[in-house]
Amino acid sequence: DIQLTQPLSILSASVGDRVTITCRASQSVGKWLAWYQQKPGKAPKLLIYETSLLETGVPSRFSGSGSGTDFTLTITSLQPDDFATYYCQQYDNFYLSFGGGTKVDI
Amino acid sequence: QVQLVESGGGVVPPGRSLTISCAASGFDFPEFAMYWVRQPPGRGPEWVAFISFEGSNTYYAPTVAGRFIISRDNSKSLLYLQMNSLRVEDTAVYYCARDTLGGQGTLVTVSS
Repeated sequence: DIQLTQPLSILSASVGDRVTITCRASQSVGKWLAWYQQKPGKAPKLLIYETSLLETGVPSRFSGSGSGTDFTLTITSLQPDDFATYYCQQYDNFYLSFGGGTKVDI
Repeated sequence: QVQLVESGGGVVPPGRSLTISCAASGFDFPEFAMYWVRQPPGRGPEWVAFISFEGSNTYYAPTVAGRFIISRDNSKSLLYLQMNSLRVEDTAVYYCARDTLGGQGTLVTVSS
């Protein structure tokens, strides 16, 4: 099974900050990595798929990069609506796995 | 556009059964493997089950193996999860997925 680790469980930031969230896989997942944003009481919202492809309707301040085992989600200028929890997910094999989440807090 | 709509959740006592469904649209359903994922309250998402595109191969997370059954009806673009011998710890929002999550989920609460 592939384990995904998000080293920071909480990240404190301010509006306008450039924010970087990392995700590390226990073995290579190729490009098959996605990022989600989740707010309390809501379903996860897909932001990025295949490492760097922006889901339709997602603002361009969100971007993804990486390959193999190390991945990054970057928010170039944090907006008030961006305070939420972010999860990474790999779909390289049938045993989907998710990171533990990074909460972006004020 | 991929659309996944889960339904059938509810409150059930421990030990009982429940079947939830997922209606898929916007893609050629018979061509894709599908998954169930759940998210317990206050925790992150976790994979539950996998079914191959034609339904001949299924895999389950150890926590549900032997109790849950994933199935599909390709003629109707429907995915199912039959949940037997439900436990309190099965309480979660259940999502179907093609490879990434896309629906709103259905809440299953196991409680006496």
